[in-house]
Amino acid sequence: GAVVSQHPSRVICKSGTSVKIECRSLDFQATTMFWYRQFPKQSLMLMATSNEGSKATYEQGVEKDKFLINHASLTLSTLTVTSAHPEDSSFYICSAREPGLLTQPQHFGDGTRLSIL
Amino acid sequence: GNSVTQMEGPVTLSEEAFLTINCTYTATGYPSLFWYVQYPGEGLQLLLKATKADDKGSNKGFEATYRKETTSFHLEKGSVQVSDSAVYFCALSGSARQLTFGSGTQLTVLP
Repeated sequence: GAVVSQHPSRVICKSGTSVKIECRSLDFQATTMFWYRQFPKQSLMLMATSNEGSKATYEQGVEKDKFLINHASLTLSTLTVTSAHPEDSSFYICSAREPGLLTQPQHFGDGTRLSIL
Repeated sequence: GNSVTQMEGPVTLSEEAFLTINCTYTATGYPSLFWYVQYPGEGLQLLLKATKADDKGSNKGFEATYRKETTSFHLEKGSVQVSDSAVYFCALSGSARQLTFGSGTQLTVLP
């Protein structure tokens, strides 16, 4: 089945560091990928929709300059948390939709646990 | 806008018990409906889906039926196992291609 790989799985770094998270679709081309944030014991919150070859679409309240998204190819999207602070600590998950009908499901990466000290 | 209301947890069952997790939705048009499962420390895995009214999605003994008249997509399993312990998310996908998630239900199955 379709596989989405997310890397790294865990990051621990100092406040002020920028962190890049990669999301790859391994066996299909994804023109659209999604980035979510999940707080402990809560549901997923959509942060942005990443579109190959164009600017990402951010959800209301998500800082574009804080969470930089690049979707340079049909199999790779990256999320960079710039100048991270402790309040950015969270579980970040990406997903990609298989091409075709809108009924195609999204496939999720295993997530990245970000801890800012 | 679209929304998903999911049965609050946590749910604790004994092995081989019957499971129901309720899910209702509000959406315009004809959304697709999904159940995802999240094991500790991992991302979400698609469990099953249904794309039109009266469709039944099924996988690994779990099933859910798309009920348009009651706008529901309840998850059921006849006999749960300890390995089913996880968080279950109901979700819908509308015309905007985005997923709208329910709040998630923590399931713990005791041996």
